[in-house]
Parts: sequence; C-alpha cells; structure tokens
Amino acid sequence: GNSVTQMEGPVTLSEEAFLTINCTYTATGYPSLFWYVQYPGEGLQLLLKATKADDKGSNKGFEATYRKETTSFHLEKGSVQVSDSAVYFCAHSTPTGNQFYFGTGTSLTVIP
Amino acid sequence: NAGVTQTPKFRVLKTGQSMTLLCAQDMNHEYMYWYRQDPGMGLRLIHYSVGEGTTAKGEVPDGYNVSRLKKQNFLLGLESAAPSQTSVYFCASSYIQDSPLHFGNGTRLTVT
Repeated sequence: GNSVTQMEGPVTLSEEAFLTINCTYTATGYPSLFWYVQYPGEGLQLLLKATKADDKGSNKGFEATYRKETTSFHLEKGSVQVSDSAVYFCAHSTPTGNQFYFGTGTSLTVIP
Repeated sequence: NAGVTQTPKFRVLKTGQSMTLLCAQDMNHEYMYWYRQDPGMGLRLIHYSVGEGTTAKGEVPDGYNVSRLKKQNFLLGLESAAPSQTSVYFCASSYIQDSPLHFGNGTRLTVT
C-alpha cells in the first residue's frame, strides 16, 4: 500500500540549531516526493519537491534528497529561525499522479 | 491572487444536520481535492476530481458527497452530520497530475 511515516513531534529547537525531520515512504512505482509547511491558521504550502531518485529539493534554506534505496526524504536545515516554527508534512504522489499521501505532520517550535 | 478559497471558515452543526462546503479556485486547475485533517492522523483524502464533471473516492469517502459542475468549483456535502465528522477540512487544487497542491485556508467544522 501507500503510506508516509515521519518522525513524531513536537520538536523544539533553539534559534540557529540544525534541523532534521525524518520521512520514509511506502509506494508503488516511482512517486514524486514533497515537503509541505503549515503555519498557524493557514493551509499547507509547498516547501520543496523532488521527482526522481537522487534529486535534491531545496527552498528557503531547507533541503531534502530523494533516496530510493532507503525510501526516504528527510528534511534538513542548517540554521533554523523563529519564523520556521510551523508544522511540516511529508507527502508522496501515486504513480498516476492524481492522489497524494501525507504523513501525520511534525510540529516545530524554534525558540530565541 | 485569490488562489483557493474555502467557505465558510467555521461552522457548528448539530448531529443529523446537513451542509455544503464550497471550494473555488481561480488558477484554471484541472485537479481538485477534499482532505480532512485530524490530530495525529495527518491529512486524509475524502474525494477528488480530475476534471469538470468527474469525481472519485479517496481514502475516507463515507458520509460525504461531492460535485464538480464547474471547473473552478468543488463542493463537499454532508447529508447527515455526525460527531465523527468534526474536523478541519481542506480543499486543494493542482494544475496537472503530479504537480504540487495549492491549499485553501481550511474550514473548521464542529458537530455536536
């Protein structure tokens, strides 16, 4: 079946700390992989994506690499800011591309 | 740029009442989706549409109906609301298959 497993939160970090949020997926074929971010009271926004093995998606200092051999897409940022406080969702598409499966979300709080 | 607009933003229903949630997008997207977001469960797909006049069931379709009479609108109906349908509902759209989703800001529904 299709599923996404991401590390449970909440995660609390000090400003400028290194961030890793783990994500692994189960899917048929070769899905596209996504990270979305949700700020309080808002809908999800695309943070970054990767469409094939070994691709690296990056945006706003965040990075994630599509690892087919480990079926993983871990999110990293070298130095977090208070403004990065949000809930982060890992997701993958189905081979037909018309459905998406989401993880349960990881809440991140960055303290000054 | 309105993007994806959901109405209403909040609603309280009594068990057995009915209501319709409206989603409108102004990006000429073909694909539209309805998700529900519950604590600890991430986003789960209720129904989706791959074009005007088409609908399909997602992961949790029971108790919901949808219609896509116009390309820009996707309606989610609850015929007889139940407390288990208390949730935050998100509409999303995408241009083509496998392209990133654009989300609305959500509708918070409480069924008492």
